[in-house]
Amino acid sequence: DGGITQSPKYLFRKEGQNVTLSCEQNLNHDAMYWYRQDPGQGLRLIYYSQIVNDFQKGDIAEGYSVSREKKESFPLTVTSAQKNPTAFYLCASSGGRTGFGANTGELFFGEGSRLTVL
Amino acid sequence: RKEVEQDPGPFNVPEGATVAFNCTYSNSASQSFFWYRQDCRKEPKLLMSVYSSGNEDGRFTAQLNRASQYISLLIRDSKLSDSATYLCVGGVYGQNFVFGPGTRLSVLP
Repeated sequence: DGGITQSPKYLFRKEGQNVTLSCEQNLNHDAMYWYRQDPGQGLRLIYYSQIVNDFQKGDIAEGYSVSREKKESFPLTVTSAQKNPTAFYLCASSGGRTGFGANTGELFFGEGSRLTVL
Repeated sequence: RKEVEQDPGPFNVPEGATVAFNCTYSNSASQSFFWYRQDCRKEPKLLMSVYSSGNEDGRFTAQLNRASQYISLLIRDSKLSDSATYLCVGGVYGQNFVFGPGTRLSVLP
């Protein structure tokens, strides 16, 4: 079945360590996104990518890095520069790249990765 | 001013009640709007897209008012299983989808 797979589901990290969260999709979607959600809060955009080898910073990109070497994959690295990394991280994708009306543009989410810094 | 605003609630309603949520957005360039449902500690799932003409899906009705820059969600005949957080989303496809903080709904027996 088509979908988005995030791994790991739960991750514990010591302060000062970098950690990479995986996001893979087989929906043939061009656009992919990373969001962060803190308890009781909404989703905040970290990075997004519209096409392979291109990505843009979202509202809270500091302390994070991404790559988009393949259409299917959009890994997120949480670096030691991120001061408060404990959060729920959600990866999403949406179909097509242009053409309002060619598709609904809705976001499809993975199940999320819950990162805890010890 | 936040780009997408919602009343965080919680809305506590009895089973069978009708409940309405509103959401306002500030970016007039926004083209696509959605309502997502999020259960506790789970990923958001699409509830419905919101079209200018309004749309209905069973007990759920969504409306978009571009002139006033708000969208609404109406839930009729509330069920216990409707208890969740409802997220309003607006944006320009391929750029940035902005989420509201969510509105918590508790349907009580």
